[in-house]
Amino acid sequence: GQNIDQPTEMTATEGAIVQINCTYQTSGFNGLFWYQQHAGEAPTFLSYNVLDGLEEKGRFSSFLSRSKGYSYLLLKELQMKDSASYLCAVSRLTGGGNKLTFGTGTQLKVEL
Amino acid sequence: NAGVTQTPKFRILKIGQSMTLQCTQDMNHNYMYWYRQDPGMGLKLIYYSVGAGITDKGEVPNGYNVSRSTTEDFPLRLELAAPSQTSVYFCASSYEDEQYFGPGTRLTVT
Repeated sequence: GQNIDQPTEMTATEGAIVQINCTYQTSGFNGLFWYQQHAGEAPTFLSYNVLDGLEEKGRFSSFLSRSKGYSYLLLKELQMKDSASYLCAVSRLTGGGNKLTFGTGTQLKVEL
Repeated sequence: NAGVTQTPKFRILKIGQSMTLQCTQDMNHNYMYWYRQDPGMGLKLIYYSVGAGITDKGEVPNGYNVSRSTTEDFPLRLELAAPSQTSVYFCASSYEDEQYFGPGTRLTVT
């Protein structure tokens, strides 16, 4: 089976830095995705980590430790528009392409 | 490119009715997926397809059927709608890693 855990909600201040953690247990791990989802909208891709280490993309960075089953998404210089749900998704490579199993999402609220 | 499009955007069904949720992508992706998302929850995979003519069950396939007669289209069929199928349905497609999502269909069964 698979298990993905991430905090339900977090609150941070505009301009600050926030780290959203994700732990997982799965077989056949291929990689880990982070998606952003604003209320009432579709998820949009943020990052994909296959190897251990930090991937930086502008204000967003994502880290993966395969041995610890752990990832985090780091958001810097927070803006009000960053208020959204952040979904951690584990990828298992099967005959069906990258099958994703999603966590329940972390609802981030950015305040003034 | 329009990307992934879904119709309808909203629908209300009575218990026992049937309907088809449409999904089309214009990116020539082989892989297509159907997910449902219940309030405050992550997405759960219903069915997926690795190419035209090939489909397989995901995590929560009961009550649904799919077909993939072309690369572009991947419709999801509900035969006997039940209140438990009230949800938001997302279609996605991918070439390799990143999945691109459609805007979703919000379905209510009463």
